[in-house]
Amino acid sequence: NAGVTQTPKFQVLKTGQSMTLQCAQDMNHEYMSWYRQDPGMGLRLIHYSVGAGITDQGEVPNGYNVSRSTTEDFPLRLLSAAPSQTSVYFCASSYSAERYTEAFFGQGTRLTVV
Amino acid sequence: GDSVTQMEGPVTLSEEAFLTINCTYTATGYPSLFWYVQYPGEGLQLLLKATKADDKGSNKGFEATYRKETTSFHLEKGSVQVSDSAVYFCALRPGNQFYFGTGTSLTVIP
Repeated sequence: NAGVTQTPKFQVLKTGQSMTLQCAQDMNHEYMSWYRQDPGMGLRLIHYSVGAGITDQGEVPNGYNVSRSTTEDFPLRLLSAAPSQTSVYFCASSYSAERYTEAFFGQGTRLTVV
Repeated sequence: GDSVTQMEGPVTLSEEAFLTINCTYTATGYPSLFWYVQYPGEGLQLLLKATKADDKGSNKGFEATYRKETTSFHLEKGSVQVSDSAVYFCALRPGNQFYFGTGTSLTVIP
């Protein structure tokens, strides 16, 4: 049981490049989400999904795109990377969208945009 | 709106000292409350949770009680160890979204 798997672990992009951060979970969780972690700001929600085919925006969605074609996968796409998107990105899943279910996190992707 | 305010760090304690990290929240309805721990270079791991008022979550010697009257969920441990050095996040889940505090860095020195 791998839990939540994120790839890659590290990435350097040039301004304007695009890329996809991968996230997969093997726990049959309905709810998946993406956060960015910046110093002094905690975790901020980028996008989330309450099930396959359903996505919604979080607090900081600009510059990012998501889709959820399967229960297992929830990729995050950076359309045109900017230095402001330098951050650590975490994918998380929970059994459902119910308030009492906890989130399980991946190991993170450290992204640097130069 | 929904939010979490967490005690700012960093916090440095000697081994076997008592730990308190304060967390207060603002939320509508009946949220669940969580404490997560993050070790260097890793993702967040659930430490404990409470889903209703007066519930006490506990794990690995850590405890926190859901206090609706004071809108608080303070994390405590009676005797910290060097291995407890990490960043601790308080989190709130009133519905389908989570809201996280900014994190409190704890360093325990021998």
